[in-house]
Amino acid sequence: DTGVSQDPRHKITKRGQNVTFRCDPISEHNRLYWYRQTLGQGPEFLTYFQNEAQLEKSRLLSDRFSAERPKGSFSTLEIQRTEQGDSAMYLCASSYTGGGHGYTFGSGTRLTVV
Amino acid sequence: ELKVEQNPLFLSMQEGKNYTIYCNYSTTSDRLYWYRQDPGKSLESLFVLLSNGAVKQEGRLMASLDTKARLSTLHITAAVHDLSATYFCAAPSSGTYKYIFGTGTRLKVLA
Repeated sequence: DTGVSQDPRHKITKRGQNVTFRCDPISEHNRLYWYRQTLGQGPEFLTYFQNEAQLEKSRLLSDRFSAERPKGSFSTLEIQRTEQGDSAMYLCASSYTGGGHGYTFGSGTRLTVV
Repeated sequence: ELKVEQNPLFLSMQEGKNYTIYCNYSTTSDRLYWYRQDPGKSLESLFVLLSNGAVKQEGRLMASLDTKARLSTLHITAAVHDLSATYFCAAPSSGTYKYIFGTGTRLKVLA
């Protein structure tokens, strides 16, 4: 098992452009989470899926953000019309049902909006 | 809504010294998680504490959980430079599977 994979590792985009990130969780994990982390802060919850169902979305997730997990395996996070305030590390994590073992995080995608 | 607070936010300590990081959370939770993050890297799981009184140890780090006090501690024994990192605690939000993270404790161990 290669762990949680995220792609790309880094993304620089111009303000107003759309970006999409991908996350491949650990294959046995049915829950998948997206978090955002800015410099000097802890990760902030964005959304999570159980299998293909999106069960919760944070108020932080504006209409410009959308996440999908179409077949209950990999997930994508899209940001439309990016703003400079979107610059952050976007972290994906996965876990087993029950979550008692905690999350396993991916390496993250660092987004810079210029 | 669950809030998780850590203190101190910054900790600079000499090698060989002991210190404790505190994690308080605002609503009832029977489990608590500790993670380590190196600069520019993702989060690595350190400890999973699943019940009141749970104590876990790994090398120079020991974590404990007191659910009645809503407090977890991460104790560092005889610190070494390799422990320099940011440490986060996280608690699950009631009724969901999302975790709420503290703001982190940035630890710097000086040689």
